[in-house]
Amino acid sequence: QVQLVESGGGVVQPGRSLRLSCAASGFIFGSYGMHWVRQAPGKGLEWVALISYDGSDKYYADSVKGRFTISRDNSKNTLYLQMNSLRAEDTAVYYCAKNRAPYGDSWFDPWGQGTLVTVSS
Amino acid sequence: EIVLTQSPATLSLSPGERATLSCRASQSVSSYLAWYQQKPGQAPRLLIYDASNRATGIPARFSGSGSGTDFTLTISSLEPEDFAVYYCHQRSNWLFGGGTKVEIK
Repeated sequence: QVQLVESGGGVVQPGRSLRLSCAASGFIFGSYGMHWVRQAPGKGLEWVALISYDGSDKYYADSVKGRFTISRDNSKNTLYLQMNSLRAEDTAVYYCAKNRAPYGDSWFDPWGQGTLVTVSS
Repeated sequence: EIVLTQSPATLSLSPGERATLSCRASQSVSSYLAWYQQKPGQAPRLLIYDASNRATGIPARFSGSGSGTDFTLTISSLEPEDFAVYYCHQRSNWLFGGGTKVEIK
């Protein structure tokens, strides 16, 4: 079955960097666009970034543009989120999610279990 | 930028009752709207996509309708496991609505 497992979260000081990973299994990773979505404590869902199936196209929320970079390694079935210049407002659970359908734009299905990032001095 | 507004923020109902959740888009999204369910401590789960299609494994008591700017998620008869937060979502800019919490009355 499809499985997405995030890792790399933790406590980090403001201004520092962190890299999240999402290990995928159970499907042909290189055929699906992938997303990062975050959820601040007690808040709603906020889409963060999208990368196309082959990594050629990337899109970002305005709140993270210029600070975060999404990437993927299809040979390792792994999605990444490099987060630089972290701020307190980046504190959230970060989920990776797979596009429901291959190649094209689609819905988020399924989601990983999430990894918590806390930005605090 | 397309904004999704969900109402009500909280819906208090009893098991067996019908739940009707609303999502309104600031401009037309055609039928490109989805609904997700999130239970406490869990990741969201896709329920409905393209406004009215149930995702794999979703029970028939969940249904979606609407097009353009006005959408509805209906749960025909609430089961205990349905009490959760529901988010609508559009894929023009991948933004989510603010959520509706369905709580036990």
